[in-house]
Amino acid sequence: DAGVIQSPRHEVTEMGQEVTLRCKPISGHDYLFWYRQTMMRGLELLIYFNNNVPIDDSGMPEDRFSAKMPNASFSTLKIQPSEPRDSAVYFCASSPGQGGYFGPGTRLTVT
Amino acid sequence: GIQVEQSPPDLILQEGANSTLRCNFSDSVNNLQWFHQNPWGQLINLFYIPSGTKQNGRLSATTVATERYSLLYISSSQTTDSGVYFCAVERNFGNEKLTFGTGTRLTIIP
Repeated sequence: DAGVIQSPRHEVTEMGQEVTLRCKPISGHDYLFWYRQTMMRGLELLIYFNNNVPIDDSGMPEDRFSAKMPNASFSTLKIQPSEPRDSAVYFCASSPGQGGYFGPGTRLTVT
Repeated sequence: GIQVEQSPPDLILQEGANSTLRCNFSDSVNNLQWFHQNPWGQLINLFYIPSGTKQNGRLSATTVATERYSLLYISSSQTTDSGVYFCAVERNFGNEKLTFGTGTRLTIIP
């Protein structure tokens, strides 16, 4: 398996623009997680899905953030409109039920 | 929620030295993982170790679940070991999410 795949790897956008991050989990994994890493807050969970259903989105910072998982092999994290404080590395991870396997991350810079 | 503390926060060692990284957690857990985030930002699974001891080459880890801590040992350090080491724990109370510690930044000097 190729592991968790994320795209793009780097994204630079201007404040106010919509940003869409994409993730393909490891095949067969029932859980998918979106994490954000910043210097100030470290690694924090934003949302996770079980069998494509959002289970806990309490970590989503505000309504500008939304996540979807239309099928078992694809998920998106969308920020609309983006703000400079959203600049961070966003990780997607998948799990068969215990443990986590992380993607390479998307480094987002909002200017 | 559960608290995860790692120590030391920073560690600078000469190549060839050994090191011990510690992870304390505040409640019972069903899972504990160690990750290495390399200087390029990639998070790499090192160990899945809810209890007991595991070894993989120069790295080994021990989790004493009853005392709520885990140790990561790195022997004969190499410059490629540099990066941040995260401990993450998981409690199986109807959800399956990892809570991360703040990490230990390890710098290996040639």
